[in-house]
Amino acid sequence: QSVLTQPPSVSGAPGQRVTISCTGSSTNIGAGYDVHWYQQLPGTAPKLLIYGNSNRPSGVPDRFYGSKSGTSASLAITGLQAEDEADYYCQSYDSSLSGLVFGGGTKLTVL
Amino acid sequence: EMQLLESGGGLVQPGGSLRLSCAASGITFSSFAMSWVRQAPGKGLEWVSAISGSGGTTYYADSVKGRFTISRDNSKNTLYMQMNSLRAEDMAVYYCAKGGIAVGGWFDPWGQGTLVTVSS
Repeated sequence: QSVLTQPPSVSGAPGQRVTISCTGSSTNIGAGYDVHWYQQLPGTAPKLLIYGNSNRPSGVPDRFYGSKSGTSASLAITGLQAEDEADYYCQSYDSSLSGLVFGGGTKLTVL
Repeated sequence: EMQLLESGGGLVQPGGSLRLSCAASGITFSSFAMSWVRQAPGKGLEWVSAISGSGGTTYYADSVKGRFTISRDNSKNTLYMQMNSLRAEDMAVYYCAKGGIAVGGWFDPWGQGTLVTVSS
């Protein structure tokens, strides 16, 4: 059971918009700690996609958008492409565990 | 550009030990905290351990505390993880990553990972 809750899977057709939620609590996201997102393509290592809730590292397309509100965060992907098919993980800090925590991951399928 | 390359994974019996290494290049290694993150087969990501740039401060997940020891040799730009008393549930791909020590911190970049298999 992950401290941060993500839907196991989401799907969308090419060109569509999808969102992936990351729900936490008052000891992590709700406490104001930043949320970061990672993309893990099949058979590869995770890659930082969004840091500090909504910032994109150099090279990440602006089709990827992160936001945070209250005890939750979201990753939105617009103009869905086949190459976006991957697992996506959110990550934050939890004060009760005194450590960095991940969501359980969401598998994105591009139909 | 920073690159990380893990090694040392393999097959080990329950109760056995293994030492992982992570060689870094492309950065001033001693300036950055480093972490180990693992991923069990078909499962999600789990932060395992972190160490400050100087090596003076270390952190561990409860699941490995007392069994795993993180260390670094800044003269060799290398991060280590000594894993003792290995259990079946420790079987995973182990990634090293830059960062992971600050409260609001993130992991970037990541190595390609090394597989640890715990089985008799």
